[in-house]
Amino acid sequence: DAKTTQPPSMDCAEGRAANLPCNHSTISGNEYVYWYRQIHSQGPQYIIHGLKNNETNEMASLIITEDRKSSTLILPHATLRDTAVYYCIVRTGNAGNNRKLIWGLGTSLAVNP
Amino acid sequence: GAVVSQHPSWVICKSGTSVKIECRSLDFQATTMFWYRQFPKQSLMLMATSNEGSKATYEQGVEKDKFLINHASLTLSTLTVTSAHPEDSSFYICSAQGAGTNTGELFFGEGSRLTVL
Repeated sequence: DAKTTQPPSMDCAEGRAANLPCNHSTISGNEYVYWYRQIHSQGPQYIIHGLKNNETNEMASLIITEDRKSSTLILPHATLRDTAVYYCIVRTGNAGNNRKLIWGLGTSLAVNP
Repeated sequence: GAVVSQHPSWVICKSGTSVKIECRSLDFQATTMFWYRQFPKQSLMLMATSNEGSKATYEQGVEKDKFLINHASLTLSTLTVTSAHPEDSSFYICSAQGAGTNTGELFFGEGSRLTVL
């Protein structure tokens, strides 16, 4: 499984966009990029995922570079409730239904008032 | 999105006792559930993969006789920490994957914090 690299921490002002980078230089062609976040003492929450194209949903936007070696999660208007650890994960292939996600330490995002 | 519920959300027990944690998929059928353990300021570590109606697959270093996993139905998996000791104190999280999902996301429970005295 491909590994990811994220900065350990970031700060963002409330109301501003938060741009969280992720490197996944060894990603293979059939692997997706997933983003989750974990608020303190809670289970991870799914945010968004993508393969090649940029994606947007009600929570965030995902920008994937053309070579797919890196991506950026964008929270367009960060709020205090967005303070969490954000995990960028590359998911394994489609064989069977047993998919295991490899978790790193993620990026601890602090949204400041 | 789909809902996965864990119970209890927190539990305190005495050393040597056993603790059962339930993971339920509330609005979908989960053929596969995953159990993780997370120590403070660390990432999630996969403990085992649980498939409905079959034995769980444990990760290297996880004792199957200590962490008993049962996935008896498509909506329920349980993790039992047997003869718990203080070093088993951790945050235990389950995730569920629905039947037939192709590229869909995993859904996580709220987590269960175990403190062994």
